[in-house]
Amino acid sequence: QSVLTQPPSVSAAPGQKVTISCSGSSSNIGNNYISWYQQLPGTAPKLLIYDNNKRPSGIPDRFSGSKSGTSATLGITGLQTGDEADYYCGTWDSSLSAGVFGGGTKLTVL
Amino acid sequence: QVQLVESGGGVVQPGRSLRLSCAASGFTFSSYAMHWVRQAPGKGLEWLAVIWYDGSNKMYADSVKGRFTISRDNSRDTLSLQMTSLRAEDTAVYYCARADWANGVTVLDHWGKGTLVTVSS
Repeated sequence: QSVLTQPPSVSAAPGQKVTISCSGSSSNIGNNYISWYQQLPGTAPKLLIYDNNKRPSGIPDRFSGSKSGTSATLGITGLQTGDEADYYCGTWDSSLSAGVFGGGTKLTVL
Repeated sequence: QVQLVESGGGVVQPGRSLRLSCAASGFTFSSYAMHWVRQAPGKGLEWLAVIWYDGSNKMYADSVKGRFTISRDNSRDTLSLQMTSLRAEDTAVYYCARADWANGVTVLDHWGKGTLVTVSS
């Protein structure tokens, strides 16, 4: 049971838009920055979004992040088959004094 | 460029110990907090531990507290994870990851490729 809750899977057609939600509590998302990670099949996770809505250099602006209260959302527009991956939200939980991740969301581009 | 290379994984019997290492290069290792994260086969990411840039603070997930110890050698640009009393449920790929600053806990901006630990008799 993950501290952060994500939908197990989402799907959309190429060129379309998809959003992935991440729900937590005041001790994690509510009071800390959220990050998003992309894990392509058979590879290590890669930072996609940090500080709720910032993109590291090299990440296209098709990827966006937002946060409201104790929830966060990753948005991906102009879907490509290469976007098929597992996506994880992550942050710090101040009550647990531990890092926490969501259970991951598998994106399928139909 | 930033490189993190884990080593030390393998097959180990339940109850035994194993030490993982992570060799860092391409950045000033002593300026960044470092984390360990693992991923069991077919499962999601699980955060394990963090160590401050100077080793002054260490925090652990409840699942490994008292069994795993994170440490670093800033003179050798190396991060370590000493794992004891290993259990079958510790079987996973273990990743080291760099935080985005000295005491960073919310952003893991670079990850190694991981090393596989299998706990089995």
